[in-house]
Amino acid sequence: EAGVAQSPRYKIIEKRQSVAFWCNPISGHATLYWYQQILGQGPKLLIQFQNNGVVDDSQLPKDRFSAERLKGVDSTLKIQPAKLEDSAVYLCASSSWTGGSLGYTFGSGTRLTVV
Amino acid sequence: AQSVTQLGSHVSVSEGALVLLRCNYSSSVPPYLFWYVQYPNQGLQLLLKYTTGATLVKGINGFEAEFKKSETSFHLTKPSAHMSDAAEYFCAVSDRGNQFYFGTGTSLTVIP
Repeated sequence: EAGVAQSPRYKIIEKRQSVAFWCNPISGHATLYWYQQILGQGPKLLIQFQNNGVVDDSQLPKDRFSAERLKGVDSTLKIQPAKLEDSAVYLCASSSWTGGSLGYTFGSGTRLTVV
Repeated sequence: AQSVTQLGSHVSVSEGALVLLRCNYSSSVPPYLFWYVQYPNQGLQLLLKYTTGATLVKGINGFEAEFKKSETSFHLTKPSAHMSDAAEYFCAVSDRGNQFYFGTGTSLTVIP
């Protein structure tokens, strides 16, 4: 089966600009996650979707970050405006309805550099 | 609440030597425990996981880990390091739900 697809792989923007990342999960996976991985740290959950509904966005900086999964399939994560501290790898993962943490598959990530 | 502590952000071993990466966890419920590996510019790849049953878990590429409840540990080992093992390793705990709580990672260097 195809893996979790993410694009772009790399992005460099200036601070205060906006940026968007795209994720296409494994077919049939109801749950989709966005993680932020800052250099030297482990991934941190930003938001979790179940189909097209938000399950947990408690760690999403809502003043500048937004995410949507309108049709319950692919998802977009946006940052507007970006700050220097947003430089990180943004990982998307998906899991089946019953898989939970046992059924995770991660994408290759998008590396964002804010200058 | 769940948390993970990985002792040693950088570990260096000689090729052919034992690899030992340490992980201690905190969990308010019986946890699921995982080790992931991340190669440069790639996503996370599952090495192995513990859910229930046998406490010694074998994974891919010759790695194994032992769940020790009394020590709240889940250390990762490999008897003989290979150059291709050089990567970042992350220990993670799940509360049997959907979310992971990752450690800060250990960078493994293999010296020829």
